[in-house]
Amino acid sequence: GDSVTQMEGPVTLSEEAFLTINCTYTATGYPSLFWYVQYPGEGLQLLLKATKADDKGSNKGFEATYRKETTSFHLEKGSVQVSDSAVYFCALSDRGGATNKLIFGTGTLLAVQP
Amino acid sequence: DSGVTQTPKHLITATGQRVTLRCSPRSGDLSVYWYQQSLDQGLQFLIQYYNGEERAKGNILERFSAQQFPDLHSELNLSSLELGDSALYFCASSVEFGATTEAFFGQGTRLTVV
Repeated sequence: GDSVTQMEGPVTLSEEAFLTINCTYTATGYPSLFWYVQYPGEGLQLLLKATKADDKGSNKGFEATYRKETTSFHLEKGSVQVSDSAVYFCALSDRGGATNKLIFGTGTLLAVQP
Repeated sequence: DSGVTQTPKHLITATGQRVTLRCSPRSGDLSVYWYQQSLDQGLQFLIQYYNGEERAKGNILERFSAQQFPDLHSELNLSSLELGDSALYFCASSVEFGATTEAFFGQGTRLTVV
């Protein structure tokens, strides 16, 4: 079945450092890809998305590019802030199926230190 | 605020009991999804409803059931509770199924079984 694999955390960075969180996927169809963020004590919020190959999603300084050839959707940010500390989830949704339920990776905890 | 409302926010109950979690989707959203988030299992898809009908089932135990009512709110019923059912239960909603639209999550219900 479809699945998402994320890099293990936690990831600890200093403020203004460059961030990469790796995400690869396995899917039989043509999925849409998402990054969700969960701040402490809150629900998941959509951070960005990409719906087809070579699309780049971006929001709040975060970017991810849908790479079909490597089945990847890595999250990047050029300069992280303490306020970016959260758990980040990569997810896919199979557009061709009868449902667009989201399949999530295990999440990566990001801790940014001042 | 995602527009998805879940009640209650916290629930503490004893083993063997039954509880009902409630979700009101965003206005206009026809699809409702239930997810369970636990430390050992991560985010697991439980079940999806679309306009009152069950559309997809994930890793939902037989002791659990859900329904979506004509006003589109949904309830997740958990019975014969066990300690291992302690988790965060999230509801999400989206406009339709089989599309590339993202899902919006509520803040979750934290269930503690003692």
